[in-house]
Amino acid sequence: GAVVSQHPSRVICKSGTSVKIECRSLDFQATTMFWYRQFPKQSLMLMATSNEGSKATYEQGVEKDKFLINHASLTLSTLTVTSAHPEDSSFYICSASTGDNQPQHFGDGTRLSIL
Amino acid sequence: GDSVTQMEGPVTLSEEAFLTINCTYTATGYPSLFWYVQYPGEGLQLLLKATKADDKGSNKGFEATYRKETTSFHLEKGSVQVSDSAVYFCALRGSNDYKLSFGAGTTVTVRA
Repeated sequence: GAVVSQHPSRVICKSGTSVKIECRSLDFQATTMFWYRQFPKQSLMLMATSNEGSKATYEQGVEKDKFLINHASLTLSTLTVTSAHPEDSSFYICSASTGDNQPQHFGDGTRLSIL
Repeated sequence: GDSVTQMEGPVTLSEEAFLTINCTYTATGYPSLFWYVQYPGEGLQLLLKATKADDKGSNKGFEATYRKETTSFHLEKGSVQVSDSAVYFCALRGSNDYKLSFGAGTTVTVRA
């Protein structure tokens, strides 16, 4: 149980393209989803927290107009990297939780490469 | 704020060796503590957790004990296998927060 599916697993695209990453909870309802960014050989940095039906809460230093987050249902959250540039290349990981004090279940991540 | 300090890697071991990865934390109140494992190209998987002082989390031969007096949550395994090669992250969730704070991660490589 508690499976989180993240898609796509890898994407390579040209600079200026917008890229959408999906995060789905397959067998539970996720009231809260988290988006992380991981640089090579570094830890995860929380980018934003999203709750179903409300606006995402972004961490300090994360551009909300650059990284658009939508959590339209209890099983799906999307992260859109708008007008992506090479510096946006990274490993993006989502997690989902059934509530504030419940465990986070992680997706397998998306490797984004901007040429 | 809450933070986690984790032993730097990389760590390279031979099969059947003993593994210890140190983790200490700074937090107010009574945080919950976690160890996550990340295999190459994958997301994080919860390895074990402890939610109160003196609790011992264990899974797949790994153990960690929540020590409030030393603010530590060291990960140990008595006999590692090649399949244990991964990056290990120590993390905490504050008692009044839902966010996870991660350590920097320790890369472990086990040689046959």
